[in-house]
Amino acid sequence: SQQGEEDPQALSIQEGENATMNCSYKTSINNLQWYRQNSGRGLVHLILIRSNEREKHSGRLRVTLDTSKKSSSLLITASRAADTASYFCATVLMMEYGNKLVFGAGTILRVKS
Amino acid sequence: EPEVTQTPSHQVTQMGQEVILRCVPISNHLYFYWYRQILGQKVEFLVSFYNNEISEKSEIFDDQFSVERPDGSNFTLKIRSTKLEDSAMYFCASIPNPNYGYTFGSGTRLTVV
Repeated sequence: SQQGEEDPQALSIQEGENATMNCSYKTSINNLQWYRQNSGRGLVHLILIRSNEREKHSGRLRVTLDTSKKSSSLLITASRAADTASYFCATVLMMEYGNKLVFGAGTILRVKS
Repeated sequence: EPEVTQTPSHQVTQMGQEVILRCVPISNHLYFYWYRQILGQKVEFLVSFYNNEISEKSEIFDDQFSVERPDGSNFTLKIRSTKLEDSAMYFCASIPNPNYGYTFGSGTRLTVV
């Protein structure tokens, strides 16, 4: 089945450092999305990258997509304590009407101040 | 910024009871979803809803589950006879069209005792 699987499972860094999270998936995609989830809260959409794009930026976030390797990475530069959260990649499975997201298990990021 | 609103934030129910989880999607969105996240596990797709009918449902979404959009604003998930294993966070989400990232609500934590 089509799934995003992130690594590492957990990442602990110092404030100011960069954090890189990777995601691999199994089948062709229309687009891939990254979400953040603070503990016990809802999912917040961070960035969407289409299958014909290789890199996308949004503020301190940089996402890359390599469709030949079926992988994506999320880079958070100059991390802050407030970036502490779980980060999920989600591959988009197209349906007859609309689409659905298939989430990976996530990376738990802890930024120490 | 427009939000997806979910109520209640926390619901405790006896096994075998019926529960209704409520969501108010963003007003101009056309595609609606329910996802769930069992504690410590992945976010899982339950059902998608478009044009006043279910467009896709997962294996989890059995006969005990139903969804409705009774008026122009509310989108509800009903679990007819709850089981212990239904305990999870339930998230509602909506999108205007399939080219957008999802807007998720903050979730309803359902605890079945």
